[in-house]
Amino acid sequence: QSVLTQPPSVSAAPGQKVTISCSGKSSNIGNNYVSWYQQVPGSAPKLVIYENNKRPSGIPDRFSGSKSGSSATLSITGLQTGDEADYYCGTWDTRLSVVFGGGTKLTIL
Amino acid sequence: EVQLVESGGRLVKPGGSLRLSCAASGFSFSSYSMNWVRQAPGKGLEWVSSLNSFSSYVFYGDSVRGRFTISRDNAKNSLFLQMNSLRVEDAAVYYCARGIGILTANQPPRGYAMDVWGQGTTVTVSS
Repeated sequence: QSVLTQPPSVSAAPGQKVTISCSGKSSNIGNNYVSWYQQVPGSAPKLVIYENNKRPSGIPDRFSGSKSGSSATLSITGLQTGDEADYYCGTWDTRLSVVFGGGTKLTIL
Repeated sequence: EVQLVESGGRLVKPGGSLRLSCAASGFSFSSYSMNWVRQAPGKGLEWVSSLNSFSSYVFYGDSVRGRFTISRDNAKNSLFLQMNSLRVEDAAVYYCARGIGILTANQPPRGYAMDVWGQGTTVTVSS
């Protein structure tokens, strides 16, 4: 059971938009910034969003993030087949530990 | 090129020990905090441990505290994870990851993220 709650799966067609939610508590998301990681099967995770809504160099602006209270959302527009992956949210908890969501599998229809 | 390369993963018996290494290159290793994150087969990411740039602040996940020890050698651009009293449930791919953000004592870092990851090394625990 992960500390942060994500939907197990989402799906959408190429070119469409998808959102992935991440729900936590006041002790984690409610108290800190959220980062998002993309993991293509068989590969290492890759940072796609940090500090709720900032994109690392090289990440297209099709990826965006937001946070409200104790929940965060990753949005991906103009979906491409290469976006098919598992996505994880993460943050630090006031118990001085890093917590991750259980991951959401994005399927491009 | 910024790169992290893990090594040391192998098959070990329950109760055994193992030391993982992570070699860093392409950046000023001593300026960054470092992390270990693991992923059991078919499961999600699980944070293991974090260490600040000068090894003065160390943090562990509940499932490994007291059994695992994180350390670093800034002169050799290397991160380590000493794993003792290994259990079947410790079997996973272990990733090292560079941290952006400052680790301090007694409060969670603000805006911390892991921006560079290695390819992982596989630890199997079985009799």
